[in-house]
Formats: sequence, structure tokens, C-alpha cells
Amino acid sequence: SQQGEEDPQALSIQEGENATMNCSYKTSINNLQWYRQNSGRGLVHLILIRSNEREKHSGRLRVTLDTSKKSSSLLITASRAADTASYFCATRKVTSGSRLTFGEGTQLTVNP
Amino acid sequence: GAVVSQHPSWVICKSGTSVKIECRSLDFQATTMFWYRQFPKQSLMLMATSNEGSKATYEQGVEKDKFLINHASLTLSTLTVTSAHPEDSSFYICSAISQRETFGELFFGEGSRLTVL
Repeated sequence: SQQGEEDPQALSIQEGENATMNCSYKTSINNLQWYRQNSGRGLVHLILIRSNEREKHSGRLRVTLDTSKKSSSLLITASRAADTASYFCATRKVTSGSRLTFGEGTQLTVNP
Repeated sequence: GAVVSQHPSWVICKSGTSVKIECRSLDFQATTMFWYRQFPKQSLMLMATSNEGSKATYEQGVEKDKFLINHASLTLSTLTVTSAHPEDSSFYICSAISQRETFGELFFGEGSRLTVL
């Protein structure tokens, strides 16, 4: 299966609730990144976490990384309808230079 | 943040014609650009890595004669879909990485939706 698998595949919540998305990967990485994609648009970088970091915050976003379990999570707190989008994790493998491998993505729907 | 411009945003063409998509980094130099293909409700599939001044590196299963990539300058890469067929219809997205931070984030264009009739 493809490196960088997110779960759940789809998540539907109410405004104000928190959304948690998980990502697993298989090989050693330099860093892991989360991106957001609105329907029919390009991707927007959200946050990068290095392999020697365990947690990172950016506004309402919180990312954790557990290299022993080869997993990461993205938490969006106090969600808004505007957060509705697809979220992808992407890993930069140690052996892949600058290339990123994208996961399958989580489709988040935030209902007003 | 850095801006990547992709053009055209959508194109409709007849089967058998060739289509060129441009990807420009507007405010930074990108020695490396990537081209992806995305099907509806699916993830990005890396097609090729484009390096300025050298031949592109294609992923397994991607026909290099079908998808011609040229990276003539530090700010421009082009993808040409040659002799397009309906099965080439897809959303194509480019991304670029800054010359100054090759292990940092990718900056994406807005994508180009190709429809081949």
C-alpha cells in the first residue's frame, strides 16, 4: 500500500468541534508535512514537522509525530465551515531527496 | 508565501492534439519542480521530477514520450501532453521547491484541468 495513509478517509463534524486526522507511513523520513486542498484547487502547505520533533503548533493546528509508530496526527481545533477541504499528509523519505510521497487524504466536511 | 503560477487553469482539446501546461515560480528560483496527476477524489500521483537544465526523471509507468517535460529556466517548467486521448483527461498539478530550501515545503500551482474530447 502507498506510504502515507490517512484515516479516516472522510470525516464530517459540526462547526466548533475538533477534527483529528491520522497518517501512517512505512519508511524512515526526514520530515512529514500536511497540506490542504480545496476542491478543484492546488495544495496549500499547512505545517512541516521534522523527524526529531514530536509536536508542532500553528494557530488552530496541532501536529504530532511518533517516529517509533511511524504515525502522525493533525488536529484542527474549533473547526469552521471554511475548514472543509481534503487534507493530505506527505512524507519526505530519507532516500528520496526532495520528493514528497502523498497519502490518500482525508475529506473533512465541517457543517455550519 | 512563495507563489507558483500554473497556466492554463483548464483546457479542452480534441483527441490527437497536444497541450502544453506551464508552471512558473513567480518570486523564487526553483531548481526542482514536480508534476502530479490527480483523479477525482484521489490523491496526487507523482508523474515526474523536473530539474533545471537536465532531463526530467519519470516515475515508473509514466510514458516520457507522452508527457514531455522541459525545465529551461529556474522559474519555468512545462508539461506537454502529446497526442492527447480521452484517458489523459485529468487534473494536472505542478509544484516547486525553493532553491534555498530543498527539504522544505512545496509550493503548488492551482492546477490545470484537461478534458480531451
